[in-house]
Amino acid sequence: QQQVKQSPQSLIVQKGGISIINCAYENTAFDYFPWYQQFPGKGPALLIAIRPDVSEKKEGRFTISFNKSAKQFSLHIMDSQPGDSATYFCAASTTNSNSGYALNFGKGTSLLVTP
Amino acid sequence: GAGVSQSPSNKVTEKGKDVELRCDPISGHTALYWYRQSLGQGLEFLIYFQGNSAPDKSGLPSDRFSAERTGGSVSTLTIQRTQQEDSAVYLCASSYGGLGVSPLHFGNGTRLTVT
Repeated sequence: QQQVKQSPQSLIVQKGGISIINCAYENTAFDYFPWYQQFPGKGPALLIAIRPDVSEKKEGRFTISFNKSAKQFSLHIMDSQPGDSATYFCAASTTNSNSGYALNFGKGTSLLVTP
Repeated sequence: GAGVSQSPSNKVTEKGKDVELRCDPISGHTALYWYRQSLGQGLEFLIYFQGNSAPDKSGLPSDRFSAERTGGSVSTLTIQRTQQEDSAVYLCASSYGGLGVSPLHFGNGTRLTVT
């Protein structure tokens, strides 16, 4: 079963707007929440990651908001640019090796930023 | 420096044939992962290597799938008696530490098409 649920499946945003992608998880043992960005024909690349001891992490135009009680986290892309057009994946895992080594990915969001 | 290298980049094979997919991780990365990416399905964990051993094979979908890693470096994913449902992009990733410690660096994948 899908351990991380991601929405929306696709998103169109105008240049300069805010892109918001949401994810939800069920497993309370998860303690590592990265976002990956993937361009066509390329492998995913780490964008930003958060641990559950903080509610927000910002790196440049990218911000992760984390709500531990709701078991939800989201990616906000401020001042979205056409170069941000890509597929974004949220993921979650436990860093306890006794629970395995899988990084559980959402199904992805295809973002298109129009000029 | 060089990233994760995967070969071939594309592979077309007939149903029932065996295929081998190769991954050259980043030098010095002890952890190696295989994932499968199907259209609209996100990334599916297959197997994890630490050095030459595979402590987590939980994602391998059937006994037709196997993987090995030699010299703590190159890894080969083998699919025997390929089926059409095996068609996907197979991604390899490496890291120098565990989940949450260091990011996964993905290769560009091998696109497998089973006809």
